[in-house]
Amino acid sequence: QVQLQESGPGLVKPSETLSLTCSISGGSIGNHYCSWIRQPPGRGLEWIGYIYDSGYTNYNPSLKSRVTISIDTSKNQVSLKLRSVIAADTAMYFCIRGKYSYVGDFWGQGTLVAVSS
Amino acid sequence: NFMLTQPHSVSESPGKTVTVSCTRSSGSIASNYVQWYQRRPGSSPRTLIYEDNRRPSGVPDRFSGSIDSSSNSASLTISGLKTEDEADYYCQSYDSGNLWVFGGGTSLTVL
Repeated sequence: QVQLQESGPGLVKPSETLSLTCSISGGSIGNHYCSWIRQPPGRGLEWIGYIYDSGYTNYNPSLKSRVTISIDTSKNQVSLKLRSVIAADTAMYFCIRGKYSYVGDFWGQGTLVAVSS
Repeated sequence: NFMLTQPHSVSESPGKTVTVSCTRSSGSIASNYVQWYQRRPGSSPRTLIYEDNRRPSGVPDRFSGSIDSSSNSASLTISGLKTEDEADYYCQSYDSGNLWVFGGGTSLTVL
């Protein structure tokens, strides 16, 4: 069974960079898309962007200027960097793997990131 | 870009059938596949429906998806409601640039 696990600091200071890693086990990131989704407390799901195993990326226009998603196929990991964070970036962050760009089938358990000084 | 509008909440009794709608604001609902996700309290989301009406393995056939071009909407139907179905449900589609769009989510209460 494919499993995804997000990891990274649970607290980031305003104006700094949020960095998360998604580690995939039980299956390959090869020939798949990996997306990042977030959910602020009490709000709905928001798509951040995705990456394909070739390194091709596509980002939410509202976050594009601050986001970088990268992939390390040798480690079966995908990373998310969100620069210049503000309190509104406080959210549960999820990674998901999908065979196609428009859908994810396996979800990680998520990691809560708070932005606060 | 378009928006996907869902009812804020729905409720129904155990054993009954409930339908959650997802209306696309512009462009045809049939232009791009619709997916549905379930998020139970304290759990990560789960993919229930993809490509309008397909179920991933392990998803019970009590869950079904459809689209209706006349109302430009997608629907998630849950039959034989169980208390464990109490959750938030999100529809999702994408635009011509493959940018994802989520609906605002619908809270289902099974009472």
